[in-house]
Amino acid sequence: GAVVSQHPSWVICKSGTSVKIECRSLDFQATTMFWYRQFPKQSLMLMATSNEGSKATYEQGVEKDKFLINHASLTLSTLTVTSAHPEDSSFYICSARDVRGTVHEQYFGPGTRLTVT
Amino acid sequence: KNQVEQSPQSLIILEGKNCTLQCNYTVSPFSNLRWYKQDTGRGPVSLTIMTFSENTKSNGRYTATLDADTKQSSLHITASQLSDSASYICVVGSNFGNEKLTFGTGTRLTIIP
Repeated sequence: GAVVSQHPSWVICKSGTSVKIECRSLDFQATTMFWYRQFPKQSLMLMATSNEGSKATYEQGVEKDKFLINHASLTLSTLTVTSAHPEDSSFYICSARDVRGTVHEQYFGPGTRLTVT
Repeated sequence: KNQVEQSPQSLIILEGKNCTLQCNYTVSPFSNLRWYKQDTGRGPVSLTIMTFSENTKSNGRYTATLDADTKQSSLHITASQLSDSASYICVVGSNFGNEKLTFGTGTRLTIIP
């Protein structure tokens, strides 16, 4: 299967600072990537859909000015958590859509654990 | 509202035994159903994807079934191994313009020696 990487795998930051998370599709091009967050013992919640070359589409209740998404190339999307607060501490997972097959598979990255102190 | 429900929430079985996880969904319009395995602290990994016309698909010791009439799916794991301990998530894809995925809350499977 295709490979999606995330960097960093974990990060600890102080309240009020900003953190950037990178999501890369390593062996295929992805015009569409997705950003999810997952709280302990809960399922993934879609935050936004990232489209290469255009603005991201945010899910209801997700602040677009707080979670900045940039999809500048066909293999890279970034999520920046601005002015992070402890309640932003979570597991952030990206996925990239592979449109080469009949069914468009989504390959997930390994996730980024964000802890805001 | 699109929903995916999974049962049981958690399951503990002995190594070597078989088990079956259930998934019921109310997603429209239906496009496909996926099963993912998620190890703790990792991203989900795809096990199977089934479209409307498929009613069974296997991937090694994992076999998924789909009944599109009753909107039910199951994931059967044969001869379980310790490495099967993980959360198993049922995800249903809906074709409504851009495909949207609806995630189940998962079944936490623990294999004990």
